[in-house]
Amino acid sequence: AQSVTQLGSHVSVSEGALVLLRCNYSSSVPPYLFWYVQYPNQGLQLLLKYTTGATLVKGINGFEAEFKKSETSFHLTKPSAHMSDAAEYFCAVSVIYNQGGKLIFGQGTELSVKP
Amino acid sequence: NAGVTQTPKFQVLKTGQSMTLQCAQDMNHEYMSWYRQDPGMGLRLIHYSVGAGITDQGEVPNGYNVSRSTTEDFPLRLLSAAPSQTSVYFCASSYSETQDPRATEAFFGQGTRLTVV
Repeated sequence: AQSVTQLGSHVSVSEGALVLLRCNYSSSVPPYLFWYVQYPNQGLQLLLKYTTGATLVKGINGFEAEFKKSETSFHLTKPSAHMSDAAEYFCAVSVIYNQGGKLIFGQGTELSVKP
Repeated sequence: NAGVTQTPKFQVLKTGQSMTLQCAQDMNHEYMSWYRQDPGMGLRLIHYSVGAGITDQGEVPNGYNVSRSTTEDFPLRLLSAAPSQTSVYFCASSYSETQDPRATEAFFGQGTRLTVV
């Protein structure tokens, strides 16, 4: 069965510091991977996705993620954190489900940014 | 373009009451789904639909019913509310841009925060 594990339920960084949110997946087929962000009291918004092709994927708001098959990882990074990045981040793998696709989410990582 | 609209945003129910959470999308998406979000557990799929008239169960379907009579609407019904159903509920829609439905992103509503007392 496919699954996603996010290491660290809470990450705290200083403004301007590197952001690194970890995601490992388990999949028996080539995975389709997503990162979503949830700002307080809002729905989820797509940050970036990996389907096929280039393993380094760039997303919105300066975030990027690298698909590493050998490590079964899809870690999310941003070189310099901004206060507005404080949110909860979810890694997900998309799987075939009946006639469509469904998302299997990790547990989420809450990012705090200190001034 | 409104995207995915959920109503209500907040609701308090007494144990045993029933209610319907509404979800509507205006993007003509084929796929719609309901998730519940609980602390430390991410989002879990409740029910799923691949088109009007077609629904299927997800990981945690017990206590919930759905129907999909139109492409736009996908209501979630709580039959007899229980405290274990206290959660934040998200409706999502997506489409198939290729022959592989895994490749497309899901668009989420703002959520319904439900408390059952």
